[in-house]
Amino acid sequence: GNSVTQMEGPVTLSEEAFLTINCTYTATGYPSLFWYVQYPGEGLQLLLKATKADDKGSNKGFEATYRKETTSFHLEKGSVQVSDSAVYFCALSERTNAGKSTFGDGTTLTVKP
Amino acid sequence: EPEVTQTPSHQVTQMGQEVILRCVPISNHLYFYWYRQILGQKVEFLVSFYNNEISEKSEIFDDQFSVERPDGSNFTLKIRSTKLEDSAMYFCASITGFLSYEQYFGPGTRLTVT
Repeated sequence: GNSVTQMEGPVTLSEEAFLTINCTYTATGYPSLFWYVQYPGEGLQLLLKATKADDKGSNKGFEATYRKETTSFHLEKGSVQVSDSAVYFCALSERTNAGKSTFGDGTTLTVKP
Repeated sequence: EPEVTQTPSHQVTQMGQEVILRCVPISNHLYFYWYRQILGQKVEFLVSFYNNEISEKSEIFDDQFSVERPDGSNFTLKIRSTKLEDSAMYFCASITGFLSYEQYFGPGTRLTVT
């Protein structure tokens, strides 16, 4: 079956530091890839997505590139802010599994001023 | 922008009681889902629903769970006899189903079983 593996957290950074959260996946077909963000006590917000190889998703300074050869979708941001503190989930979905999403374990990011 | 809505936002119930969680998916979407997130853990798939029937369910989705789309707009998750371990955030999601598999998630219902 499908699976998503994220780098273990928690991750603590100082403001303006560079962020990378690694994500790799296994899938039976050709999935779409997503990053979701969850702020404390809130629901899931789609941060960015990519639907085919070499696509780059981007939003709010975050980027991730769909790498089919390495089955990866690492999240990056050049300069984090305190307001970026949240839990980040990598996920995939694909047509062959009725479109359901498979999530990674989540990575908690804390940004200190 | 259209969005998925869920009610209630927080439900407290006693062990053994039945609960119904409600969702209104985006109106032109065709596939519907329920997910569960136990506090501090990852989001887990429960069930997918298409064309008025379950298309897939996980091992979590046992006989205590059921789903229904009673009136063409609401999509409900029923837990017949709640257990303490059912305490979690429950998310509803929907997708158009053909050109895009981006899931639109609702804000969630926090279920607390005491």
